[in-house]
Amino acid sequence: RKEVEQDPGPFNVPEGATVAFNCTYSNSASQSFFWYRQDCRKEPKLLMSVYSSGNEDGRFTAQLNRASQYISLLIRDSKLSDSATYLCVVSLQGAQKLVFGQGTRLTINP
Amino acid sequence: DTAVSQTPKYLVTQMGNDKSIKCEQNLGHDTMYWYKQDSKKFLKIMFSYNNKELIINETVPNRFSPKSPDKAHLNLHINSLELGDSAVYFCASSQEISRGYTFGSGTRLTVV
Repeated sequence: RKEVEQDPGPFNVPEGATVAFNCTYSNSASQSFFWYRQDCRKEPKLLMSVYSSGNEDGRFTAQLNRASQYISLLIRDSKLSDSATYLCVVSLQGAQKLVFGQGTRLTINP
Repeated sequence: DTAVSQTPKYLVTQMGNDKSIKCEQNLGHDTMYWYKQDSKKFLKIMFSYNNKELIINETVPNRFSPKSPDKAHLNLHINSLELGDSAVYFCASSQEISRGYTFGSGTRLTVV
């Protein structure tokens, strides 16, 4: 079983729609959680950290469910510029490294 | 001003050659990493150094040898390149894992 699993998509949604991604992780000792965004032929960039209480940054909302070991990302009022691959990322306590999911590819259509 | 810079950006070389990729960060981070992103887009860790000391060495062929002359630099030397080494190699740095990484722009290696 992969340490971090995501639906690779692709997700094609119209501009203005709300879209949600989920991700599951296998190790219950995972400690830090993130969503990264990767544009085509570019490096991954930190979108947001994910906290147990859930957190919001503008149109983006992240949730963590430790009991079920899944993380979600909700994008409201999607823009064309949101088109990218979204990577779910976790770290293990004491592991000193981040483990990346395969990514979910999102395309926003005009 | 670039926080994590890698050179070269593109590298095309023949099988059997030896090549190096360089990485430098000006963020003052203690830890640096090499990741490989293959054609299926999986990002897999290869090595990590903390303050010039190797702390992570995943299952990587010993043709790959990292070197960290100081905590701001992490280089990757690859001997006897093979077709399967073709990938994008990303350097990253972090100060605390709980804050995530900052990545370099990647080196696209093509072995022909």
